[in-house]
Formats: sequence, C-alpha cells, structure tokens
Amino acid sequence: TQLLEQSPQFLSIQEGENLTVYCNSSSVFSSLQWYRQEPGEGPVLLVTVVTGGEVKKLKRLTFQFGDARKDSSLHITAAQPGDTGLYLCAGAGYSTLTFGKGTMLLVSP
Amino acid sequence: DTEVTQTPKHLVMGMTNKKSLKCEQHMGHRAMYWYKQKAKKPPELMFVYSYEKLSINESVPSRFSPECPNSSLLNLHLHALQPEDSALYLCASRPNTGELFFGEGSRLTVL
Repeated sequence: TQLLEQSPQFLSIQEGENLTVYCNSSSVFSSLQWYRQEPGEGPVLLVTVVTGGEVKKLKRLTFQFGDARKDSSLHITAAQPGDTGLYLCAGAGYSTLTFGKGTMLLVSP
Repeated sequence: DTEVTQTPKHLVMGMTNKKSLKCEQHMGHRAMYWYKQKAKKPPELMFVYSYEKLSINESVPSRFSPECPNSSLLNLHLHALQPEDSALYLCASRPNTGELFFGEGSRLTVL
C-alpha cells in the first residue's frame, strides 16, 4: 500500500505570512496532484506535477516535485484569508489516487 | 461543460429508509468514483467504475450499492444505513490525464 504523509496537519497563520506544506512518501508516483477543498465543497485541482525536480507556480503558490518523485511541497507566499481550506496531496496510480491526510489551513485577517 | 453535478446536496434519512445519491458528468470521462469524507479528513475511496463496469470496491458494506447506468451517470443506493455512515459523499470523474474532477458532494445525515 502506498502511503502519503502530509504535514503539518493543521496550520493557523495571519494574513501576509508565508507557509509550506509537505507531502512525503516512500513510494514513487507517476505524478502528484494538489487539491484545495473549501468548506461545503468538493476538492478542486490546483496543479499536477509529473517530472522529478519540477517546479510550478500558480500566482502566490509554488509547487515542487522531488527529484525522486516521492515527495512534494506547496509554498504559499503572503497568505490571504481566501487561501483558507483543506489542502490535499494525492499520488497517482493506474486507476486510483492515494490521498495524504490533508493540511487544514486557516488564514486570519 | 466541466462540471460534475451531484444531487441532492443534503439528505437526511432514517436507518430504515432507502435513498439514492446521483452524480452526472458530460465531459466524456470513462472513469467515475465514489468517495466518502468525514469532517477534516481526506476522501476515502469507496468504488471505481471504468467504462461503466465496477473495477474497484474498497470493501464497502453492502448497505451501499453503486450503479452506473451509462457513461454519464453514477448512482449510489443507500439502504439500512447506520449513524456512523453520516458523511460527505463525493463523486468524481477522471480523464486519461489522471486528475480527478469532483462534484460538490452530498451531505448525508443518518438519524
């Protein structure tokens, strides 16, 4: 069974602060996806990283995929209250995704 | 149309009731999924349908019965549920590129 360890599980910060969320595994994934889920909604895909060492930027969000394709990180610069939500990493297998336990982010004004 | 539509959004049912959750997508995705999600936890996989055939059943109790009438529709029939089955039930579809497109979920409360 492939496991994804996500940390931290909960993060409460003030608007304007920076943060990093980590996603680690002992398994290699063909790709890794990051989702954000707001209360009362389903998860929404933020990014897919495929190549080892890849870095993708989405406005204030920076995603990295480890060289060995076993780990990933999400860095948010100058967090805003609208960034509040549950952040999930997911490793892609042939027909399923393996989800990490999620990071609940609360950004206060 | 890039949406996965789930109905109803909220459902309250007794332990003896029979109800169904419905999911629809018109993106031509041939893989569809049911997930169960408890508060502040990640989604847990229940069922996977691939080309309208059940390909994965994650040891889900028989009181949950999935059905895929065609490539656009996915149902989850509920019967004799327990209070611990109360959760957000998420439907998702998946194209060949691998990412999941989720619906907004059906919030189920079992009394």
